[in-house]
Amino acid sequence: SAVISQKPSRDICQRGTSLTIQCQVDSQVTMMFWYRQQPGQSLTLIATANQGSEATYESGFVIDKFPISRPNLTFSTLTVSNMSPEDSSIYLCSVRSFPNTEAFFGQGTRLTVV
Amino acid sequence: GIQVEQSPPDLILQEGANSTLRCNFSDSVNNLQWFHQNPWGQLINLFYIPSGTKQNGRLSATTVATERYSLLYISSSQTTDSGVYFCAVREGFQKLVFGTGTRLLVSP
Repeated sequence: SAVISQKPSRDICQRGTSLTIQCQVDSQVTMMFWYRQQPGQSLTLIATANQGSEATYESGFVIDKFPISRPNLTFSTLTVSNMSPEDSSIYLCSVRSFPNTEAFFGQGTRLTVV
Repeated sequence: GIQVEQSPPDLILQEGANSTLRCNFSDSVNNLQWFHQNPWGQLINLFYIPSGTKQNGRLSATTVATERYSLLYISSSQTTDSGVYFCAVREGFQKLVFGTGTRLLVSP
């Protein structure tokens, strides 16, 4: 299985600011995803990070709020923009190598907005 | 979209007890995974089990895809088993849909 490094592991941010979360994988992967887990809730897919093109966003998530980059097959970033306390969540990066294999997750970024 | 329900939502066990967690899904799937989320928020892969039965130590899982459910068995539970257990199924080509979760507390 791939080793996934996600940074930062946690942060406390002021409202109105932005935070960029990084996801680094130790091998090339076909697919990279970003999920959000609000307090006490399950995980929800934000978007699929596409290499060299714009990310594909799920309903309810927009590029202006959650810009995503994926410059190569091993790295992606998620930015949470113009943060409000409602953005306080765990954000997780996920990868999968082939269409029908299992997904793996980074250790998550616990974000608190004050 | 696919609906994924887990039961029970909460479970409290004494150390050493056995338990069964259930995952029901509303449509046919070709991928099902079980995860354990530890108190630090990290998701640990337990099983990739689209169908059939697998065992790993004290844990085992069974998926009956034709009847749209999966079971996770935990035997001789330990305090380190505490956390939230999620099942997740793939909808379409890419998207993983997570279940509602079962929060497990194992007391010494």
